[in-house]
Amino acid sequence: NAGVMQNPRHLVRRRGQEARLRCSPMKGHSHVYWYRQLPEEGLKFMVYLQKENIIDESGMPKERFSAEFPKEGPSILRIQQVVRGDSAAYFCASSQEGDRLGREQYFGPGTRLTVT
Amino acid sequence: GDSVTQMEGPVTLSEEAFLTINCTYTATGYPSLFWYVQYPGEGLQLLLKATKADDKGSNKGFEATYRKETTSFHLEKGSVQVSDSAVYFCALRLFSGGYNKLIFGAGTRLAVHP
Repeated sequence: NAGVMQNPRHLVRRRGQEARLRCSPMKGHSHVYWYRQLPEEGLKFMVYLQKENIIDESGMPKERFSAEFPKEGPSILRIQQVVRGDSAAYFCASSQEGDRLGREQYFGPGTRLTVT
Repeated sequence: GDSVTQMEGPVTLSEEAFLTINCTYTATGYPSLFWYVQYPGEGLQLLLKATKADDKGSNKGFEATYRKETTSFHLEKGSVQVSDSAVYFCALRLFSGGYNKLIFGAGTRLAVHP
Protein backbone atom coordinates (compact mmCIF):
# COMPACT_ATOMS: atom_id res chain seq x y z
CA ASN A 1 0.00 0.00 0.00
CA ALA A 2 1.73 3.11 -1.21
CA GLY A 3 2.03 5.97 1.23
CA VAL A 4 1.34 9.62 0.62
CA MET A 5 3.15 10.73 -2.51
CA GLN A 6 4.32 14.20 -3.31
CA ASN A 7 5.97 15.53 -6.41
CA PRO A 8 8.21 17.02 -7.29
CA ARG A 9 10.53 16.41 -4.35
CA HIS A 10 12.58 19.45 -5.22
CA LEU A 11 11.41 22.49 -7.17
CA VAL A 12 13.39 25.56 -8.14
CA ARG A 13 11.57 28.62 -9.37
CA ARG A 14 12.65 32.17 -10.20
CA ARG A 15 10.88 35.07 -8.57
CA GLY A 16 7.59 35.75 -10.30
CA GLN A 17 7.07 32.23 -11.62
CA GLU A 18 4.35 29.83 -10.54
CA ALA A 19 4.92 26.75 -8.40
CA ARG A 20 2.60 23.73 -8.50
CA LEU A 21 2.97 21.10 -5.82
CA ARG A 22 1.11 17.80 -6.06
CA CYS A 23 -0.04 15.40 -3.39
CA SER A 24 -1.59 11.98 -3.87
CA PRO A 25 -3.14 10.74 -0.63
CA MET A 26 -2.96 7.20 0.61
CA LYS A 27 -5.43 4.79 -0.92
CA GLY A 28 -8.78 5.13 0.78
CA HIS A 29 -8.03 8.56 2.24
CA SER A 30 -10.31 11.42 1.30
CA HIS A 31 -8.87 14.15 3.53
CA VAL A 32 -5.76 16.16 2.71
CA TYR A 33 -3.82 18.68 4.77
CA TRP A 34 -1.01 20.97 3.61
CA TYR A 35 1.71 22.25 5.93
CA ARG A 36 4.66 24.57 5.38
CA GLN A 37 7.99 24.27 7.15
CA LEU A 38 10.21 27.32 7.01
CA PRO A 39 13.92 26.79 7.72
CA GLU A 40 14.56 25.92 11.37
CA GLU A 41 10.85 26.06 12.20
CA GLY A 42 8.11 23.57 12.84
CA LEU A 43 5.33 22.68 10.46
CA LYS A 44 2.58 25.26 10.16
CA PHE A 45 -0.91 24.31 9.02
CA MET A 46 -2.01 25.88 5.76
CA VAL A 47 -5.18 24.26 4.47
CA TYR A 48 -7.47 21.27 4.97
CA LEU A 49 -9.41 19.82 2.06
CA GLN A 50 -11.85 17.05 1.36
CA LYS A 51 -12.72 15.93 -2.14
CA GLU A 52 -13.86 19.03 -4.05
CA ASN A 53 -14.16 21.10 -0.87
CA ILE A 54 -11.91 23.42 1.09
CA ILE A 55 -12.79 22.94 4.75
CA ASP A 56 -10.31 25.26 6.45
CA GLU A 57 -7.83 27.57 4.75
CA SER A 58 -7.12 29.72 7.77
CA GLY A 59 -3.38 29.07 7.58
CA MET A 60 -2.97 30.01 3.96
CA PRO A 61 -1.74 33.45 2.89
CA LYS A 62 -4.60 35.46 1.43
CA GLU A 63 -2.84 36.21 -1.83
CA ARG A 64 -0.97 34.13 -4.38
CA PHE A 65 -1.71 30.78 -2.68
CA SER A 66 -4.53 28.42 -3.62
CA ALA A 67 -5.30 24.75 -3.12
CA GLU A 68 -7.64 22.25 -4.64
CA PHE A 69 -8.52 18.58 -4.30
CA PRO A 70 -10.55 17.57 -7.33
CA LYS A 71 -12.81 14.57 -7.60
CA GLU A 72 -10.17 12.85 -9.69
CA GLY A 73 -6.43 13.29 -9.37
CA PRO A 74 -4.08 14.66 -6.77
CA SER A 75 -4.42 17.66 -4.53
CA ILE A 76 -2.61 20.71 -5.89
CA LEU A 77 -1.06 23.55 -3.94
CA ARG A 78 -0.42 26.48 -6.27
CA ILE A 79 1.76 29.47 -5.51
CA GLN A 80 1.61 32.28 -8.03
CA GLN A 81 4.34 34.91 -8.52
CA VAL A 82 6.66 33.25 -6.05
CA VAL A 83 8.95 35.35 -3.84
CA ARG A 84 12.09 34.34 -1.94
CA GLY A 85 10.10 34.10 1.28
CA ASP A 86 8.11 31.21 -0.21
CA SER A 87 11.23 29.02 -0.07
CA ALA A 88 10.31 26.22 2.32
CA ALA A 89 9.42 22.56 2.58
CA TYR A 90 5.75 21.88 1.87
CA PHE A 91 4.29 18.73 3.38
CA CYS A 92 1.06 17.02 2.58
CA ALA A 93 -0.74 14.65 4.93
CA SER A 94 -3.81 12.52 4.40
CA SER A 95 -6.31 10.75 6.60
CA GLN A 96 -9.48 8.74 6.42
CA GLU A 97 -12.74 10.38 7.35
CA GLY A 98 -12.16 12.95 10.02
CA ASP A 99 -14.04 12.50 13.23
CA ARG A 100 -13.76 13.41 16.87
CA LEU A 101 -11.70 10.31 17.54
CA GLY A 102 -9.06 11.71 15.29
CA ARG A 103 -7.96 9.61 12.37
CA GLU A 104 -4.18 9.64 12.04
CA GLN A 105 -2.58 11.91 9.53
CA TYR A 106 0.04 10.23 7.34
CA PHE A 107 2.70 12.49 5.90
CA GLY A 108 4.36 12.57 2.51
CA PRO A 109 8.09 13.20 1.98
CA GLY A 110 7.58 16.86 1.19
CA THR A 111 8.42 19.20 -1.67
CA ARG A 112 11.35 21.50 -1.11
CA LEU A 113 10.75 24.75 -2.95
CA THR A 114 13.65 27.08 -3.62
CA VAL A 115 12.99 30.50 -5.09
CA THR A 116 15.99 32.16 -6.71
CA GLY B 1 -3.27 30.57 21.56
CA ASP B 2 -2.46 26.88 21.35
CA SER B 3 1.25 26.20 20.96
CA VAL B 4 4.08 23.73 21.47
CA THR B 5 7.57 24.58 22.70
CA GLN B 6 10.42 22.12 22.51
CA MET B 7 14.08 22.38 23.37
CA GLU B 8 16.38 23.76 20.76
CA GLY B 9 18.85 21.56 19.03
CA PRO B 10 21.00 20.20 17.87
CA VAL B 11 21.36 17.57 20.54
CA THR B 12 24.58 15.61 20.09
CA LEU B 13 25.07 12.34 21.94
CA SER B 14 27.31 9.33 21.89
CA GLU B 15 25.82 5.94 21.17
CA GLU B 16 24.15 4.33 24.23
CA ALA B 17 23.71 7.68 25.99
CA PHE B 18 20.43 8.68 27.63
CA LEU B 19 18.19 11.02 25.67
CA THR B 20 15.71 13.62 26.86
CA ILE B 21 14.01 16.11 24.56
CA ASN B 22 11.77 18.52 26.44
CA CYS B 23 8.34 19.50 25.18
CA THR B 24 5.74 21.74 26.82
CA TYR B 25 2.43 22.87 25.45
CA THR B 26 -0.30 25.47 25.84
CA ALA B 27 -3.81 24.44 24.90
CA THR B 28 -7.32 25.68 25.61
CA GLY B 29 -8.91 22.24 25.48
CA TYR B 30 -7.81 18.67 26.15
CA PRO B 31 -5.30 17.82 23.48
CA SER B 32 -3.78 14.56 22.42
CA LEU B 33 0.00 14.70 22.30
CA PHE B 34 2.38 13.25 19.75
CA TRP B 35 6.00 12.80 18.88
CA TYR B 36 6.88 12.59 15.20
CA VAL B 37 10.29 11.73 13.74
CA GLN B 38 11.69 12.93 10.43
CA TYR B 39 14.64 11.03 8.98
CA PRO B 40 16.79 12.81 6.38
CA GLY B 41 14.94 13.32 3.12
CA GLU B 42 11.75 11.73 4.37
CA GLY B 43 8.36 12.81 5.63
CA LEU B 44 7.19 12.78 9.23
CA GLN B 45 6.45 9.44 10.86
CA LEU B 46 4.39 9.05 13.99
CA LEU B 47 6.68 7.83 16.78
CA LEU B 48 4.30 7.69 19.75
CA LYS B 49 1.23 9.34 21.19
CA ALA B 50 -0.81 9.82 24.35
CA THR B 51 -4.45 10.84 24.40
CA LYS B 52 -5.09 11.75 28.05
CA ALA B 53 -3.33 12.79 31.22
CA ASP B 54 -0.90 10.25 32.73
CA ASP B 55 -0.92 8.12 29.57
CA LYS B 56 2.50 6.89 28.52
CA GLY B 57 3.26 6.48 24.85
CA SER B 58 6.09 4.17 23.85
CA ASN B 59 7.65 2.83 20.67
CA LYS B 60 11.09 1.61 19.59
CA GLY B 61 12.53 2.24 23.05
CA PHE B 62 11.23 5.82 23.16
CA GLU B 63 8.79 6.91 25.87
CA ALA B 64 6.85 10.02 26.77
CA THR B 65 4.31 10.61 29.55
CA TYR B 66 1.43 13.09 29.28
CA ARG B 67 1.81 15.36 32.32
CA LYS B 68 -1.16 17.67 32.64
CA GLU B 69 0.10 19.35 35.82
CA THR B 70 3.26 20.52 34.11
CA THR B 71 1.76 20.63 30.57
CA SER B 72 4.68 18.55 29.35
CA PHE B 73 5.36 15.55 27.13
CA HIS B 74 9.12 14.98 27.31
CA LEU B 75 10.64 12.35 25.03
CA GLU B 76 13.13 9.89 26.56
CA LYS B 77 15.19 6.94 25.47
CA GLY B 78 17.54 5.01 27.67
CA SER B 79 20.17 4.13 25.10
CA VAL B 80 20.30 5.88 21.73
CA GLN B 81 21.69 4.42 18.53
CA VAL B 82 23.26 6.06 15.51
CA SER B 83 20.11 5.15 13.58
CA ASP B 84 18.08 7.42 15.89
CA SER B 85 19.70 10.49 14.31
CA ALA B 86 16.79 12.52 12.98
CA VAL B 87 14.62 15.55 13.72
CA TYR B 88 11.98 15.03 16.39
CA PHE B 89 8.76 17.05 16.48
CA CYS B 90 6.39 17.36 19.40
CA ALA B 91 2.79 18.11 18.44
CA LEU B 92 -0.63 18.51 19.96
CA ARG B 93 -3.96 17.71 18.38
CA LEU B 94 -7.16 19.55 19.23
CA PHE B 95 -10.68 19.05 17.96
CA SER B 96 -11.66 22.49 16.77
CA GLY B 97 -13.95 23.78 14.06
CA GLY B 98 -15.29 20.30 13.39
CA TYR B 99 -12.02 18.55 12.75
CA ASN B 100 -8.72 17.69 14.34
CA LYS B 101 -5.87 20.21 14.07
CA LEU B 102 -2.21 19.39 14.55
CA ILE B 103 0.08 22.05 16.01
CA PHE B 104 3.81 21.37 15.88
CA GLY B 105 6.86 22.48 17.79
CA ALA B 106 9.91 23.74 15.94
CA GLY B 107 11.66 20.38 15.99
CA THR B 108 14.82 19.17 17.69
CA ARG B 109 17.66 17.71 15.66
CA LEU B 110 19.38 14.72 17.26
CA ALA B 111 22.81 13.57 16.12
CA VAL B 112 24.16 10.32 17.58
CA HIS B 113 27.84 9.49 17.09
CA PRO B 114 29.41 6.03 17.37
